[in-house]
Amino acid sequence: DAEITQSPRHKITETGRQVTLACHQTWNHNNMFWYRQDLGHGLRLIHYSYGVQDTNKGEVSDGYSVSRSNTEDLPLTLESAASSQTSVYFCASSEGSQNEQFFGPGTRLTVL
Amino acid sequence: EDKVVQSPLSLVVHEGDTVTLNCSYEVTNFRSLLWYKQEKKAPTFLFMLTSSGIEKKSGRLSSILDKKELFSILNITATQTGDSAVYLCAARRAGNNRKLIWGLGTSLAVNP
Repeated sequence: DAEITQSPRHKITETGRQVTLACHQTWNHNNMFWYRQDLGHGLRLIHYSYGVQDTNKGEVSDGYSVSRSNTEDLPLTLESAASSQTSVYFCASSEGSQNEQFFGPGTRLTVL
Repeated sequence: EDKVVQSPLSLVVHEGDTVTLNCSYEVTNFRSLLWYKQEKKAPTFLFMLTSSGIEKKSGRLSSILDKKELFSILNITATQTGDSAVYLCAARRAGNNRKLIWGLGTSLAVNP
């Protein structure tokens, strides 16, 4: 069955370290999204991609980067992790411009 | 600025009760509204509504959109403990903009 996966599911890191969170989908969706979810803020868009080699900044993109070298993967990199980036991170994908988004299981990141 | 507001923020009911969750929106060039259910994991898609007055139904859950008054409701009849979750709504603009504007969610607790 087609699916969307994230790894790792849990990560503890230290301030200043570079961290990469993986997202892989097997639906062949062009659109992929990264969100963070924090109490009181709901889901906030970090970066998104509409296809290979396309990346765009969301509302909370500072300190994060993404790259899209193929359809299936959109890794999210924290260049120098900060305690404010402790959060749950969700990856999502959608088929068309007006279709629903399907979410991965999430990665809980703790920055000490 | 586009925004989506959900009410109430939290709700506690007893099994068998009927609940109505509200989602109001102010979105430029509105196209569709989506409902998701989030338990202790990733959001899962429930409904997408694009036309006013047409009810979408799945089992005990139903939803309707009012594009004149700019809101949607999600109804759950004969609630069960398994309905306990955070219910999220999100709005999308028309056109090529695939981003979703998210509300903060309604936390529903169904007690036995």
